[in-house]
Amino acid sequence: TQLLEQSPQFLSIQEGENLTVYCNSSSVFSSLQWYRQEPGEGPVLLVTVVTGGEVKKLKRLTFQFGDARKDSSLHITAAQPGDTGLYLCAGARGNQGGKLIFGQGTELSVKP
Amino acid sequence: DAGVIQSPRHEVTEMGQEVTLRCKPISGHNSLFWYRQTMMRGLELLIYFNNNVPIDDSGMPEDRFSAKMPNASFSTLKIQPSEPRDSAVYFCASSLNPLGFYEQYFGPGTRLTVT
Repeated sequence: TQLLEQSPQFLSIQEGENLTVYCNSSSVFSSLQWYRQEPGEGPVLLVTVVTGGEVKKLKRLTFQFGDARKDSSLHITAAQPGDTGLYLCAGARGNQGGKLIFGQGTELSVKP
Repeated sequence: DAGVIQSPRHEVTEMGQEVTLRCKPISGHNSLFWYRQTMMRGLELLIYFNNNVPIDDSGMPEDRFSAKMPNASFSTLKIQPSEPRDSAVYFCASSLNPLGFYEQYFGPGTRLTVT
């Protein structure tokens, strides 16, 4: 069974703090994506990482794909209330025709 | 560009009634996915289509659920008869994978409540 384990499940921090969310699996993925979902809306794609060891930055967000392409992390620097939401990682395997395996999500709350 | 369009946004129905959820994918996308999201189970893939053909329906809970994609611009998910445990948010997503990155674009969802 392909599983993506996200940790932590819930995170409540103060504005200005840093945080890291982890996404781990025993399976190798051809690509891994991070989505953010706000209440009442669908998930929105933040980034796709493809190469082992790849690091991508999106303003205060830094995404890393593990060297073995089995895990990923999302680091937020100086979190702001606008970062509040559900963060989902999703992995794709090249032989599954576009099907993604989603983690269970990390619910982030940033208090002003 | 218009994103994925879903209708209705909210549906409240009584147990035993038929429910039909609709989705219009992003123009030009060749894959379409139906998901269900609940607090307990998170985001679950129900079924997906490539080029209008159902590829994997292993996530469909039971025979009460059915999905169709008669053309590249329209898909339906039907529940008949509906039950209270079907209450959830249902998402449709579409994707175009020329480079194999499999990025999916989600609609706003349909919140279904079965009483």
